[in-house]
Amino acid sequence: RKEVEQDPGPFNVPEGATVAFNCTYSNSASQSFFWYRQDCRKEPKLLMSVYSSGNEDGRFTAQLNRASQYISLLIRDSKLSDSATYLCVVNRGNYQLIWGAGTKLIIKP
Amino acid sequence: NAGVTQTPKFQVLKTGQSMTLQCAQDMNHEYMSWYRQDPGMGLRLIHYSVGAGITDQGEVPNGYNVSRSTTEDFPLRLLSAAPSQTSVYFCASRFSSGNTIYFGEGSWLTVV
Repeated sequence: RKEVEQDPGPFNVPEGATVAFNCTYSNSASQSFFWYRQDCRKEPKLLMSVYSSGNEDGRFTAQLNRASQYISLLIRDSKLSDSATYLCVVNRGNYQLIWGAGTKLIIKP
Repeated sequence: NAGVTQTPKFQVLKTGQSMTLQCAQDMNHEYMSWYRQDPGMGLRLIHYSVGAGITDQGEVPNGYNVSRSTTEDFPLRLLSAAPSQTSVYFCASRFSSGNTIYFGEGSWLTVV
């Protein structure tokens, strides 16, 4: 079993819809969590950190559930430009970042 | 405003050849790392460095060497290329206490 798991998708979603995807992690000692966005054949870029109380950045909301060991990303009012692969990242300390394989999102007009 | 610069962007190697992927950052970041990304898998850490003169192995170090003689540069050397090293390689850097990782644009390597 992978330490960080994501549904690879693709999630095909109409423009304007709300979409959510989860990421599960197996190491309960994991310290911090992030969502990165990666466009096709590009480098990953930080989308947002994930805080225990949940946090929002515009149309994006991230949640952390330590008891069930998962984080989630919710995108509201999706735009065509949101089409990308979303990578879940877990920091288990000592410079060890564990990356999920990503969830591919396709927004359709 | 260069950020993280890695070269070359594309490279084809023959099995057994050696080469060096170059990486440079101009943000005075202490921490630098190399990842490889393969289809269906997350980024995997090859080697990392927390400062000049200090390097350590990541998850998949075999077949690769690194050095960190300056804060700015962190080259990755493939000693004897194998087809299993066909991948996309990303160099990354950040401040040791920072959360945001800055990536280079990637190097597409094919070993035939």
